[in-house]
Amino acid sequence: QKEVEQNSGPLSVPEGAIASLNCTYSDRVSQSFFWYRQYSGKSPELIMSIYSNGDKEDGRFTAQLNKASQYVSLLIRDSQPSDSATYLCAVVLTGGGNKLTFGTGTQLKVEL
Amino acid sequence: DVKVTQSSRYLVKRTGEKVFLECVQDMDHENMFWYRQDPGLGLRLIYFSYDVKMKEKGDIPEGYSVSREKKERFSLILESASTNQTSMYLCASSFEEGRGYTFGSGTRLTVV
Repeated sequence: QKEVEQNSGPLSVPEGAIASLNCTYSDRVSQSFFWYRQYSGKSPELIMSIYSNGDKEDGRFTAQLNKASQYVSLLIRDSQPSDSATYLCAVVLTGGGNKLTFGTGTQLKVEL
Repeated sequence: DVKVTQSSRYLVKRTGEKVFLECVQDMDHENMFWYRQDPGLGLRLIYFSYDVKMKEKGDIPEGYSVSREKKERFSLILESASTNQTSMYLCASSFEEGRGYTFGSGTRLTVV
């Protein structure tokens, strides 16, 4: 089992819809979780961090964390074509110090 | 905003050459990291450093070394470049344990 798993996609959603991106992780004791957005040919950009169970909202983005089930998700409301990118889930694993372990990313396509 | 600057956006080198990739951050961050990113494999940690003159191996250190003589600068060295080191190289920094990274713009290295 990979330490951080994401469905590679592509996930296609129509403009204005909610995009739901999911990530599971293997380490029950992980405490820090991040979502990065990466446009083609560009470097990853941090868009959300979450540390506690529940939801965290920032504009059109909501991160959801469920430590008991070991998953973290990212919801994008009112999806726009500019949201089309690859979304990377990253986790600080136990004993990892400050190292992030990344999933391979989910490609999101928002269609007009 | 934290700025992480990678000296080259694109590089083409010959097999067997010694290659230096430079990374500089301007926010006095303790922690710096080098990743490579390949399609289907995601981001993989090569080396990291938590302090000046300190370095630790990541998941794929073979064929690489690093140098951190000053806090703001973290260099990745390919001792003898090989074609399987053709990749996107990403430098990142972070302020404290458990927090997200800021990435540089990346260096796309091609070894011919």
